[in-house]
Amino acid sequence: GQQVMQIPQYQHVQEGEDFTTYCNSSTTLSNIQWYKQRPGGHPVFLIQLVKSGEVKKQKRLTFQFGEAKKNSSLHITATQTTDVGTYFCAGLKTSYDKVIFGPGTSLSVIP
Amino acid sequence: EAQVTQNPRYLITVTGKKLTVTCSQNMNHEYMSWYRQDPGLGLRQIYYSMNVEVTDKGDVPEGYKVSRKEKRNFPLILESPSPNQTSLYFCASSPLGLAGQVDETQYFGPGTRLLVL
Repeated sequence: GQQVMQIPQYQHVQEGEDFTTYCNSSTTLSNIQWYKQRPGGHPVFLIQLVKSGEVKKQKRLTFQFGEAKKNSSLHITATQTTDVGTYFCAGLKTSYDKVIFGPGTSLSVIP
Repeated sequence: EAQVTQNPRYLITVTGKKLTVTCSQNMNHEYMSWYRQDPGLGLRQIYYSMNVEVTDKGDVPEGYKVSRKEKRNFPLILESPSPNQTSLYFCASSPLGLAGQVDETQYFGPGTRLLVL
């Protein structure tokens, strides 16, 4: 079946360092979404990427969708303690009904 | 306020005792879904519904049932809970896109933490 993988599983960074998480799908995706879950909270939507090679920015966050629409990345510049949480990618296949989440990358930021 | 609500938020039960976790959304969304979250496995979809009376299995449907009799409600039923169903459960809802696909953001409820003894 369709799988969505993420690496790394955990990342510890010093405040101010950059952070990147990578998402890879075994099949071509229609779109990909990114969510953030704070400790003890629920997933919150960050962004959706639809087009091949798309790049979107939200302040210090940069999201990319691969040319083949099978991988994506989230890059955070100059991390802050408010960035702590688990970042999930979620892929939607062309069947349009099932959303497959990756296992997430847990980010810790050391002040 | 636009939101997805779940009840109960915390539940401790024993093996075999039927339980229902309710989910309700006030955004008139067509799409609703149940996920379970386990350490290292992320969010796995249990069941989803594209609209009233339309439900489908996700990746881990065994041991669960759902119903969608009204647009706003999507209860999750565990007929005979077992310890391997101990987990954190999230309900989510989303509008459908223009072509009827799920390409909009999903709004998640606060979660229900279930412990089956």
